Amino acid sequence: SAVISQKPSRDICQRGTSLTIQCQVDSQVTMMFWYRQQPGQSLTLIATANQGSEATYESGFVIDKFPISRPNLTFSTLTVSNMSPEDSSIYLCSASAQRDYGYTFGSGTRLTVV
Amino acid sequence: QKEVEQNSGPLSVPEGAIASLNCTYSDRGSQSFFWYRQYSGKSPELIMSIYSNGDKEDGRFTAQLNKASQYVSLLIRDSQPSDSATYLCAPRAQGAQKLVFGQGTRLTINP
Repeated sequence: SAVISQKPSRDICQRGTSLTIQCQVDSQVTMMFWYRQQPGQSLTLIATANQGSEATYESGFVIDKFPISRPNLTFSTLTVSNMSPEDSSIYLCSASAQRDYGYTFGSGTRLTVV
Repeated sequence: QKEVEQNSGPLSVPEGAIASLNCTYSDRGSQSFFWYRQYSGKSPELIMSIYSNGDKEDGRFTAQLNKASQYVSLLIRDSQPSDSATYLCAPRAQGAQKLVFGQGTRLTINP
């Protein structure tokens, strides 16, 4: 299965600023996803990162707030824009080479907005 | 109705016993099912996948799927303290790429 390197692992940011999270996969993958996990909660899908086209966002998430890039089959970024304390959460990327091979997760980014 | 429902627990099981984790899902089109284990402060780790009705065994883990009843379960035999974690159920709908996660069941194995 794919191995994902995610960075930064954690950050403390001022409100109103933006943070870009990077995920690098050790092999080409067809699918990459971005999730948010708030303390004590399950994973909520933010968007599917599509290679060569715009990301597909889930209900409640918009491109202006969470712009995503996916320039190739091994790399994606998620930006959390104009941050507020409500954005404090763990952000996770996930990838799969093939749909039924299971989805691997990066180690996560713990974001605190002050 | 939630798309994926799991008992949030905590589920407490004595060491050496069988832990039984259950999950129901609402999308009848779901075709693939995944179980993840998540230790506190860590990211989810895939432990089992199942695609067909019946049982699938892998070491101490057995996944069970019943599509007619729309439930999937995970059995952990000979439970160890290291199995203490949150277990997440994640179906994938037919034709879809994304997984939908349940809220997870927190399992504690008592020595």
